[in-house]
Amino acid sequence: QSALTQPASVSGSPGQSITISCTGTSSDIGSYNYVSWYQQLPGKAPKVMIYEVSNRPSGVPARFSGSKSGNTASLTISGLQAEDEADYYCSSYTTTSTLAVFGGGTKVTVL
Amino acid sequence: EVQLVESGGGLVKPGGSLRLSCAVSGFRFSSFSMHWVRQAPGKGLEWVSYINSRSDDIYYGDSVKGRFTVSRDNAQNSLSLQMNSLRDEDTAIYYCARERASNWFDPWGQGTLVIVSS
Repeated sequence: QSALTQPASVSGSPGQSITISCTGTSSDIGSYNYVSWYQQLPGKAPKVMIYEVSNRPSGVPARFSGSKSGNTASLTISGLQAEDEADYYCSSYTTTSTLAVFGGGTKVTVL
Repeated sequence: EVQLVESGGGLVKPGGSLRLSCAVSGFRFSSFSMHWVRQAPGKGLEWVSYINSRSDDIYYGDSVKGRFTVSRDNAQNSLSLQMNSLRDEDTAIYYCARERASNWFDPWGQGTLVIVSS
């Protein structure tokens, strides 16, 4: 069982918007703006898409955005494209005995 | 170009040991904290370990604590993960990743596969 909870799958048609939720606790998401999101294409290493809740690294398309409310962070993909089909993972700093936690991952399917 | 290249993976019997390495280039390794993250076949990401730039702040995930040891050699631009008392459930691709400020990981290496099986 992962420390952060994500839906197993989300789907949408090209051009639509989808949102992936990531629920944690007051020990992680709820207390720190240290949430990041990663895209993993099949057979590839993860790639950061969002850091510090809502910041996009250079080179990441503007259709990717992040937000947070309470213990839940969200990743929104606006104007979904076929190339966005991948697994997405959230991560957060945590004050538990470990240092970082991941969500279980969400498979995004473009219909 | 920033590069992280893992090596040392392979097949090992339960109870055995393995040492993974991560060779880095393209940035000042001695200025960055580093992480190990693993992914079991068909499963999600699991955070494994953290080491800061001076090796005086180290953390482990609960599932590997007491069995794995992370270290680094800033002169050699190298990160290591010594894995002892390996179990079937340690089977995974192991990634090294550079930490940017505030606990986000970029970039990641391509990973090295560890298979623990009799």
